Amino acid sequence: SQQGEEDPQALSIQEGENATMNCSYKTSINNLQWYRQNSGRGLVHLILIRSNEREKHSGRLRVTLDTSKKSSSLLITASRAADTASYFCATAASGYSTLTFGKGTMLLVSP
Amino acid sequence: EPEVTQTPSHQVTQMGQEVILRCVPISNHLYFYWYRQILGQKVEFLVSFYNNEISEKSEIFDDQFSVERPDGSNFTLKIRSTKLEDSAMYFCASSEASRPGNEKLFFGSGTQLSVL
Repeated sequence: SQQGEEDPQALSIQEGENATMNCSYKTSINNLQWYRQNSGRGLVHLILIRSNEREKHSGRLRVTLDTSKKSSSLLITASRAADTASYFCATAASGYSTLTFGKGTMLLVSP
Repeated sequence: EPEVTQTPSHQVTQMGQEVILRCVPISNHLYFYWYRQILGQKVEFLVSFYNNEISEKSEIFDDQFSVERPDGSNFTLKIRSTKLEDSAMYFCASSEASRPGNEKLFFGSGTQLSVL
């Protein structure tokens, strides 16, 4: 399976701090995506980084991709209580269509 | 902003009963998906659907499961004879890409299925 595995499983920080989550995967990919899930809700797409990209920014989000290490990181800067959610990476393997998800990192941002 | 809608939000059923979960994908999207998430676990792929037929399916999607697009807007997941282990949150998703996996998915809010 080429699914991503996030690390850490849980992260607890204070508002204003940065949060970094990591994702590792096993096989070559077309792209890697990050999603957010608020408790009991559907997943919301945050950012997509293609296999030929190394870094991407979107607002307070910064994603890096290292295809040689088969890993990605999601950085949320200046975190807010509203960022409290689970964050999932998802990968689509080269030549296949299925987007598969990791187990997620549960982020708690305390005011 | 257009969104994927799912009904019902909660479904309680007895083991062995049939259930149909309904979804209305975003209107100009081409690919449709069902995923499920057992409480506290990862989001698991069930099936993808394109051009009125199944594109891919996982090992979870056995003969008890079926999908259908009965008209131009609805996309349904049927479980013929539910088991206790089918209890999960079921998510419908859609994407506009003609090559799934290359673009983002739009998810509905899910149907929480409880099999008693």
